Amino acid sequence: AQSVTQPDIHITVSEGASLELRCNYSYGATPYLFWYVQSPGQGLQLLLKYFSGDTLVQGIKGFEAEFKRSQSSFNLRKPSVHWSDAAEYFCAVGATGGYQKVTFGIGTKLQVIP
Amino acid sequence: NAGVTQTPKFQVLKTGQSMTLQCAQDMNHNSMYWYRQDPGMGLRLIYYSASEGTTDKGEVPNGYNVSRLNKREFSLRLESAAPSQTSVYFCASSNSGTGGTDTQYFGPGTRLTVL
Repeated sequence: AQSVTQPDIHITVSEGASLELRCNYSYGATPYLFWYVQSPGQGLQLLLKYFSGDTLVQGIKGFEAEFKRSQSSFNLRKPSVHWSDAAEYFCAVGATGGYQKVTFGIGTKLQVIP
Repeated sequence: NAGVTQTPKFQVLKTGQSMTLQCAQDMNHNSMYWYRQDPGMGLRLIYYSASEGTTDKGEVPNGYNVSRLNKREFSLRLESAAPSQTSVYFCASSNSGTGGTDTQYFGPGTRLTVL
């Protein structure tokens, strides 16, 4: 069974600073990887996803993530954070082969200070 | 195009009461899901429906039942609510019936408190 670890529960950054949110996964084959964002009081929205090909994936709102197989990681990055990026971010891993569910991490809450 | 809608948005129940959470999607998606979100636990899958007419247990199904009423609608029922079921409940849908590889589209959630 697959699993996801988000080691940082809460991160605070200054507006305009760069951001990196960590995600490590465990899965025996090539995973399907996702980052979702949840704004306060809202449901989750997909930021980006990786299935295969280029290991640097671009998403919405200026976010990108890099798949590193050797480190079992899929870290999310943004060069310059905006106050509107304050939200909770979830990394998720999906499996292939018949019907397989997606496993979500526990989330990282991002606070942006002016 | 409303996406995924959930009703109600908020609900307070007493222990032992029953209720049904409603979910509908207008994207013609095949798969639908119910999750619960608890602090420090992330999202945990309660039940899912890979396609119309099928439902299966997820990670935490105890105390819940579901009905895939048609392709659009997927309801979650609590027969006898317990304080441990206090949570935020999310419905989601995805296009294909293969779950693990699909982008999921989420509703706005239902905040349930059981006293």
